[in-house]
Amino acid sequence: SQTIHQWPATLVQPVGSPLSLECTVEGTSNPNLYWYRQAAGRGLQLLFYSVGIGQISSEVPQNLSASRPQDRQFILSSKKLLLSDSGFYLCAWSGQGGNTIYFGEGSWLTVV
Amino acid sequence: AQSVTQPDIHITVSEGASLELRCNYSYGATPYLFWYVQSPGQGLQLLLKYFSGDTLVQGIKGFEAEFKRSQSSFNLRKPSVHWSDAAEYFCAVGNDYKLSFGAGTTVTVRA
Repeated sequence: SQTIHQWPATLVQPVGSPLSLECTVEGTSNPNLYWYRQAAGRGLQLLFYSVGIGQISSEVPQNLSASRPQDRQFILSSKKLLLSDSGFYLCAWSGQGGNTIYFGEGSWLTVV
Repeated sequence: AQSVTQPDIHITVSEGASLELRCNYSYGATPYLFWYVQSPGQGLQLLLKYFSGDTLVQGIKGFEAEFKRSQSSFNLRKPSVHWSDAAEYFCAVGNDYKLSFGAGTTVTVRA
């Protein structure tokens, strides 16, 4: 069966520091991968998605970037965090041509 | 453009009582519809999905949802709520990167 893991689960970072959140998927190949953000009291916002290695699409302009160095690895990064980057970040995957998105456990980021 | 509306921000229900969460969508074609549940501090778990066929869909944890094309609705129901059902519930329409989520409904279960 397929599993998705992301880490770290919780992160407290000062303003201006870098960020790296990592996500891996097991049990499937060539998945579509996604990064979502869920700010307090708000719904889910799609940040990035990827249909293959090195292929990243950005949904909103922001302080963040994403990379996909391997087929089942998706990384969310920032060079300098802002206070407004605080939130709950969710990695997710779907099969190629599949219509169902499955989520990871999420990572809490607090920028102080 | 596709969109999802969950009219109820917060619902309180007694344990053992029935639960219905409303979801209305706007979509240009035959929709793919989903319900997810999120416990505090956790990721989203898929409860059920509708792509086609029988309009009454059974999901995990005793939940079911009914697709009504004429009303553009996909309401979630559970006949008897357990305390562990306290969570936030999200309706979604679309697929892959085109998935649109509602704002969510928070369910509180009282003893």
